Amino acid sequence: ETGVTQSPTHLIKTRGQQVTLRCSSQSGHNTVSWYQQALGQGPQFIFQYYREEENGRGNFPPRFSGLQFPNYSSELNVNALELDDSALYLCASTTRTDHTDTQYFGPGTRLTVL
Amino acid sequence: AQKVTQAQTEISVVEKEDVTLDCVYETRDTTYYLFWYKQPPSGELVFLIRRNSFDEQNEISGRYSWNFQKSTSSFNFTITASQVVDSAVYFCALIPGGSGYSTLTFGKGTMLLVSP
Repeated sequence: ETGVTQSPTHLIKTRGQQVTLRCSSQSGHNTVSWYQQALGQGPQFIFQYYREEENGRGNFPPRFSGLQFPNYSSELNVNALELDDSALYLCASTTRTDHTDTQYFGPGTRLTVL
Repeated sequence: AQKVTQAQTEISVVEKEDVTLDCVYETRDTTYYLFWYKQPPSGELVFLIRRNSFDEQNEISGRYSWNFQKSTSSFNFTITASQVVDSAVYFCALIPGGSGYSTLTFGKGTMLLVSP
C-alpha cells in the first residue's frame, strides 16, 4: 500500500466539459505529481506541486491546472475536454530517502471523453 | 532532454522461464536516478527499484535482479523462474539529477505475459 488514493476510479465526460480529479497522499509528503497515461504508452508528466505551489510543468496546455492543499490532497482540473484527453491519470506522492526522491503512485482515474 | 527506450513491446514466456526486460536511457546529466515500475491490469504503478547513477552495483531481490551498466546506458531487469503473477506491464524510468524538481521520464513499457 502506497497510501495514495485517487477519486473517482472511472469517469465519463463529453467533449468541451470540465473535470476535476482528486488525489490524497500520506501526511508529510509535500510533493505531488500528476501524470497522464494514454493507452499503450508510458505515463507523461503533467505538473508537480510542492507545498501548494506549482514546482514544474510538462508539455501540457494551460487548460490543465492543479491545486495542492495543506492537508496533502490535490486536484487536477482539465477544462474544455478533448477526445485526446481520454487516458489514465495518475497521481504520485514523493518521499525522499538517501537524498533521492521516489514517487509512489495511486491507483489512477480512468477518464473517457466522448 | 531525457529519453528511455524499452525496445521490447511484448514478451511471452511460460511459467518458470527466466526473462530479461531491456532498458536503455539517454541523459546529459552526470547524476541521475533509474527506476523500474510494474503496472498490473488494475492500473496502479508499483515501485520496484531505484538505482543511483553513481552506484553500479547490481542488485538481487528474491526472483528479481537488475543489471546497471553505465558504459552501455542500460538498466536491465531479470525475473528468474517467472510466475503467472508476474504478468504486467513493466516501465523503466529516469529522473535527471540536475533539475530543480524530480519528474519521471518513462519508457513505453514492456508487456510481460506469463502463461501456466
